[in-house]
Amino acid sequence: AQSVTQPDIHITVSEGASLELRCNYSYGATPYLFWYVQSPGQGLQLLLKYFSGDTLVQGIKGFEAEFKRSQSSFNLRKPSVHWSDAAEYFCAVCGQGGSEKLVFGKGTKLTVNP
Amino acid sequence: GAGVSQTPSNKVTEKGKYVELRCDPISGHTALYWYRQSLGQGPEFLIYFQGTGAADDSGLPNDRFFAVRPEGSVSTLKIQRTERGDSAVYLCASSLRLAGKNEQYFGPGTRLTVT
Repeated sequence: AQSVTQPDIHITVSEGASLELRCNYSYGATPYLFWYVQSPGQGLQLLLKYFSGDTLVQGIKGFEAEFKRSQSSFNLRKPSVHWSDAAEYFCAVCGQGGSEKLVFGKGTKLTVNP
Repeated sequence: GAGVSQTPSNKVTEKGKYVELRCDPISGHTALYWYRQSLGQGPEFLIYFQGTGAADDSGLPNDRFFAVRPEGSVSTLKIQRTERGDSAVYLCASSLRLAGKNEQYFGPGTRLTVT
């Protein structure tokens, strides 16, 4: 069965500092990979996705993520965090063809200090 | 363009009552999904529609939960004999599924509270 692990429940960074949120997945083949962001009281917004090709993908709001097959990881990064980035971040996987559902991690809550 | 919309945004109901939650997907999106998000957790899959038919309902927790999409657009999630454990945010998402690439766009959710 597919699963996603986000090891960090809560991360605090200072504004302007760099950020890396970890995501590891378990799946029998190469899945499709996604990062979503959820602000308080809001729905999920798609930040970026990986389907195939270049393993470094760029997303919205200055975020990027790198797919590493050997480590079954898809970590999210941002070089300089803004106060408005404070939110909860979810990593998700989806099978290629057939299985259509997204399987989510439990999320990482990001706090940004001024 | 308009995104996925869900109504109501909040629903408070008494234990044992019946509720309906509505989802309007992005126009032209053939695939529609329902998820449930409990406090402190990631969303969990409930059911997936391709057109009018439920292609995968393996996430529905029991037979009190049912969903329809009669015309291949709007969907309604129906919960009978609600229990306090059904309290959660119910999220709807839609997707074009172009070339099998399943990019899902989410609505704001319906927060269901069962008292």
